[in-house]
Amino acid sequence: GNSVTQMEGPVTLSEEAFLTINCTYTATGYPSLFWYVQYPGEGLQLLLKATKADDKGSNKGFEATYRKETTSFHLEKGSVQVSDSAVYFCALDDYKLSFGAGTTVTVRA
Amino acid sequence: NAGVTQTPKFQVLKTGQSMTLQCAQDMNHNSMYWYRQDPGMGLRLIYYSASEGTTDKGEVPNGYNVSRLNKREFSLRLESAAPSQTSVYFCASSEVSGGRETQYFGPGTRLLVL
Repeated sequence: GNSVTQMEGPVTLSEEAFLTINCTYTATGYPSLFWYVQYPGEGLQLLLKATKADDKGSNKGFEATYRKETTSFHLEKGSVQVSDSAVYFCALDDYKLSFGAGTTVTVRA
Repeated sequence: NAGVTQTPKFQVLKTGQSMTLQCAQDMNHNSMYWYRQDPGMGLRLIYYSASEGTTDKGEVPNGYNVSRLNKREFSLRLESAAPSQTSVYFCASSEVSGGRETQYFGPGTRLLVL
C-alpha cells in the first residue's frame, strides 16, 4: 500500500538558518504530493503541492521538488523565521490522502 | 466564508458514553473526511464521503459511525467511547475526492475519554 516516511523531529533551529525536512514515499500509482503545515492550536493547511514528477511546489519561501527517481519530496527553506515554528506533514494522494508522522520545527530568535 | 467548522472544540467523556462530533463546510465541496491525529502517527483516515449520500471506511473505522447529513454537513459518532479514542479529530473537505485535490481542514476537536 501507499506510505509516507518523513524525518523524525523535533528540529530546533535559529532564525535565518536553512531548513530541510526529508520525505520519501511508497506508492503503486502516480500520486500527487503535498506538504501541510499545522500551527499551534490550529488545523492543517496546505503549504505546497506537486502533481507530477519534476514539478516544484513553492509557497512562503518553502520549496519541494517531486523526484520520482528517488521517490522523494523534501521540503526546504533557505532562511527560517520564528513564525515558521509548526508541525510539518508530508502527504501523498493516490485516491486517498496518506500522511507522514509529522515533524515538529521550532525556530528560536 | 468560514471554511470548515467543527463543534465542539473540546470534550471530556467517560468510558461508554456516546457523542457526535459535528462538521460543516461552506465551500460547496463534494467530498468530506474525518481524521484522527495521535502523537507520532500523523493523521489517519476514519471515514470519508466522496459525495452526498455516500460514505466509506478509511484506515481506522472501528468504533465510529458517520452521517453525511447533506452536502454541507458530515458528522462523526462515537456510540460507546473508549480511552483508546482519546485523540484530536479533524474534519476536512475537498472539491472532489482522489488525486490532486487540496483538502481543507477544520480547527479540530480535542477529545478526552476517561
